[in-house]
Amino acid sequence: EVQLVESGGGLVQPGGSLRLSCAASGFSFSTYWMTWVRQAPGKGLEWVANIRQDGGEKYYVDSVKGRFTISRDNAKNSLCLQMDSLRGEDTAVYYCARDMVPFESWGQGTLVTVSS
Amino acid sequence: SYVLTQPPSLSVAPGKTARITCGGTNIGSKSVHWYHQKPGQAPVLVIKYDRDRPSGIPERFSGSNSVNTATLTISRVEAGDEADYYCQVWDSSSARGVFGGGTKLTVL
Repeated sequence: EVQLVESGGGLVQPGGSLRLSCAASGFSFSTYWMTWVRQAPGKGLEWVANIRQDGGEKYYVDSVKGRFTISRDNAKNSLCLQMDSLRGEDTAVYYCARDMVPFESWGQGTLVTVSS
Repeated sequence: SYVLTQPPSLSVAPGKTARITCGGTNIGSKSVHWYHQKPGQAPVLVIKYDRDRPSGIPERFSGSNSVNTATLTISRVEAGDEADYYCQVWDSSSARGVFGGGTKLTVL
């Protein structure tokens, strides 16, 4: 069974940093693109970033480019999202999802709250 | 950047057919995927590549895609279908994933 488990969310002040992790199991992690999607409270889904199987290609939504960094460790079946210079508008539930598209598997999400 | 437009809401009586649209410039040339999401839960893929149903998704769910509009059709709507529905594409020209704004389906 495919499992994606996010962790690392919490409350952080504006301008602060947070590192999210996604532990993957039940599939061959190194053979899939991986993606982060977020959802602000009461809002719709927003694609954030994705990363190729070998980490050699990475893409970001414009609003996080230069502030967020997606990475992966295939040996540990782990996906990460380093979030720096956080803003109030980054407040959201962050989901990791398997593949580039479509997303047949999602984690349960981790809540990031940016507030003073 | 590529934009997908969905109606914010749709209300349908039980047993009737719901059609949720997703508009985008020349969307017919892209592969469209649909998700539903119930409160407090992660999204679930219900249609992939315009019209394919993942395993476990009832035959009542179907999809189509042509020219500038993709459509998710739910036949014989049930109370359990009440959820937010999102369309999605991969925009290769910008190398970005794109979601529609979502449609809240209410079963009367």
